[in-house]
Order: sequence, then C-alpha cells, then structure tokens
Amino acid sequence: GAGVSQTPSNKVTEKGKYVELRCDPISGHTALYWYRQSLGQGPEFLIYFQGTGAADDSGLPNDRFFAVRPEGSVSTLKIQRTERGDSAVYLCASSPIGGSGGELFFGEGSRLTVL
Amino acid sequence: EDKVVQSPLSLVVHEGDTVTLNCSYEVTNFRSLLWYKQEKKAPTFLFMLTSSGIEKKSGRLSSILDKKELFSILNITATQTGDSAIYLCAIVTQGAQKLVFGQGTRLTINP
Repeated sequence: GAGVSQTPSNKVTEKGKYVELRCDPISGHTALYWYRQSLGQGPEFLIYFQGTGAADDSGLPNDRFFAVRPEGSVSTLKIQRTERGDSAVYLCASSPIGGSGGELFFGEGSRLTVL
Repeated sequence: EDKVVQSPLSLVVHEGDTVTLNCSYEVTNFRSLLWYKQEKKAPTFLFMLTSSGIEKKSGRLSSILDKKELFSILNITATQTGDSAIYLCAIVTQGAQKLVFGQGTRLTINP
C-alpha cells in the first residue's frame, strides 16, 4: 500500500496475556518509529529503528515491551504480561531517512484494550 | 527533560472564526518544530519550522516560530467544520531521532 499499515486495528485482551502489534512502513523508508497515545494525550515516543537496529529504545516503559525489525521493513511491537495501564493507541510512523528532524508518516494505529 | 506545552487544551468556535493555537517548548539543542493534525487516528503533517520569524503558509493555515521566546503559533483563518481535529505540536532536538509531542489542542468548529 501507499501508506503505513498497522494490524490489528483493534485488539482486546485480558490482563497478563501477550500481544503483538505489526507495522508495515512505506516502502523504502529506512526509519521506523513506535509511539503510544493515551486518551487526551499527545503521542509518547517508545522506540526508533534505523534499518534493522533499534537506534533509540529509551521510551520503552519497562522490559515487558520489546520491538523487532529483522529485515529492515516490517516491525513488530511485543508486549508481555499486559496490564490495564497498557491500554492505548499504538502508532507506528516511518520516514525516508532518520534523524532529519522532518516529517513522519503515521499509520492509523492499533487500539489496545487490556481488560 | 525536553517539554512541549500546548494551549488551549480545548477550543470551540463557530465556522468562519479565526483561531490561534499556541505551542511553547523547553528543550536543549533545538532542531525543528512540527505541527500535525489528527482527525481520527493518524496524525498528518502540516508544517516544519526551523528558523525564527519565517511564516509557513498553506491555504488558510499558517505558522511561525519564535526561537528567542521558545514558542510557535498555528493560525487558521475562516475556519470550516473540516478543521475540527486535534492539533499536535512536536519538537526535535539536535542529535535525537524522535519527536517529543505536546498534549494537543482539541479544536471544534461548530456550523
């Protein structure tokens, strides 16, 4: 597709379960970002990939959160032992090059609800 | 810690009014400031500002940056109901790869 694609669009899970959220960036974009947005708040940075490597993971809240991008394209955000406080919209964004301070292209997000 | 504060948090006006949204920031080693519009889920890019005093304009929207006073404004003239959205301000610092967002301003345009 032409834009950033995220799946699933909605995920409802129970506390303690494991979830995976997928992001397919715009073709050719080397930089990929994950953000989390809670209700009434702006997006909060989680992690940034340049190619296959996580160049900045300083926003991951704890070790229950992990993300991979093994082939430098699709990325998966993994959350273990989910908690109710993890409920949010998880946004993925990509850009042609990282560190340019320029425009990010966002996906529609994955809304996670932890019951 | 880098910080972005937007005001007002919420604004309701009538169609045809002009609005001004504010964004102030406290950062070390400023690089750029960006404005995004978020209607439903995906934020969409509006402007990127790097230099003080140079207005960026796109149709009825315009924005300007003041690096001395550490703020930016986003103006929307002759508002339309389609302008209803959350407007997000974000900054990027030198050497960092991430955008730091403010809380957003929820703008509602009533017919």
